[in-house]
Amino acid sequence: GAGVSQSPRYKVAKRGQDVALRCDPISGHVSLFWYQQALGQGPEFLTYFQNEAQLDKSGLPSDRFFAERPEGSVSTLKIQRTQQEDSAVYLCASTPEGQISYEQYFGPGTRLTVT
Amino acid sequence: AQRVTQPEKLLSVFKGAPVELKCNYSYSGSPELFWYVQYSRQRLQLLLRHISRESIKGFTADLNKGETSFHLKKPFAQEEDSAMYYCAPRFQKLVFGTGTRLLVSP
Repeated sequence: GAGVSQSPRYKVAKRGQDVALRCDPISGHVSLFWYQQALGQGPEFLTYFQNEAQLDKSGLPSDRFFAERPEGSVSTLKIQRTQQEDSAVYLCASTPEGQISYEQYFGPGTRLTVT
Repeated sequence: AQRVTQPEKLLSVFKGAPVELKCNYSYSGSPELFWYVQYSRQRLQLLLRHISRESIKGFTADLNKGETSFHLKKPFAQEEDSAMYYCAPRFQKLVFGTGTRLLVSP
């Protein structure tokens, strides 16, 4: 396939707005991950799905962040009432098997800027 | 706390010089260890994993459990190696370092 895709690639939001970021994993991939990458930092884990089940959401920074994968394929990361500190690149990755140790295939990311 | 440290933000070398990108981690246990790379205008991708004991694009990484290090090495750097490199131990999830930018000049 074409690899992991993410949309939009760029998003500018005013503080307080809600945003939704989409991830299309490689077809058939079981596991899906979301990461947040702030400027000058490495990616930081947000949450992990195995099929439609959200098995780990320990990295979500606040209850304003919510992720779902209702049919076990496409995933959406939603951020409510965006704040300036939410500005970052949001990366999605998927793996073919239900184990985190397999190679993760990354998408191009969504750059979110909160003004 | 689980931490990974890449002490160099930027490593600049000339083509043909040896390269060592440092990575130290603090974990209670034996994590799996990975190096990921991001070339300019490309997405993050796996370079190599410790468990495979492989050499990819001339790079190798040796695990030193005593020093809890997993440095990435290449004997002769090439211009196409210029990229951002991230060390990523995995205990229960991947934890990325802050990355080292490698710049190989002609």
